[in-house]
Amino acid sequence: DAGVTQSPTHLIKTRGQHVTLRCSPISGHKSVSWYQQVLGQGPQFIFQYYEKEERGRGNFPDRFSARQFPNYSSELNVNALLLGDSALYLCASSSTGGSNQPQHFGDGTRLSIL
Amino acid sequence: EDQVTQSPEALRLQEGESSSLNCSYTVSGLRGLFWYRQDPGKGPEFLFTLYSAGEEKEKERLKATLTKKESFLHITAPKPEDSATYLCAGEGGGTSYGKLTFGQGTILTVHP
Repeated sequence: DAGVTQSPTHLIKTRGQHVTLRCSPISGHKSVSWYQQVLGQGPQFIFQYYEKEERGRGNFPDRFSARQFPNYSSELNVNALLLGDSALYLCASSSTGGSNQPQHFGDGTRLSIL
Repeated sequence: EDQVTQSPEALRLQEGESSSLNCSYTVSGLRGLFWYRQDPGKGPEFLFTLYSAGEEKEKERLKATLTKKESFLHITAPKPEDSATYLCAGEGGGTSYGKLTFGQGTILTVHP
């Protein structure tokens, strides 16, 4: 079975631009979460969606937004990019989004801001 | 605010030299404590979920344990292929449902 797939794998942008990152969950999973991982640190929670509704939001500015589609895939959008947005963006999916089912991660999108 | 701290930051072992990684947590209403393995350039790979103090889980050379304040990942007779970054994460209750709070990870290097 296919795991969580993310696209693109790498992306280079300049300050002020916007970016859209995409995620396809494991088949049958209805919850998608987004995390930001800066080099040398653990992932930091950005959003969780379940059944197309936002279930949780981390401490990120309004420049970050996301949505989930009827097929449970998801997009993360970041506007007005800053140098500090350079990071690995990880998508995770699970059946329910809660602790009774673990979150499974994709290999991420490496975003570099020049 | 939920907090997870891992130690040591880096650990170098000889093949066959057993050791433990520590994860200290302050997570309100802990619903689950998770361990992941992350290889360079890859996303975290799920290893274990622990739900209550006293619980233990094993997988090959790895054993995870949980107390009310800490979790340990014991590595018995490690091999070079066990080299990776090991991440610990907690999920809290209430509005933290489904949100994983990660530690910074322990970079494990096993030399042949």
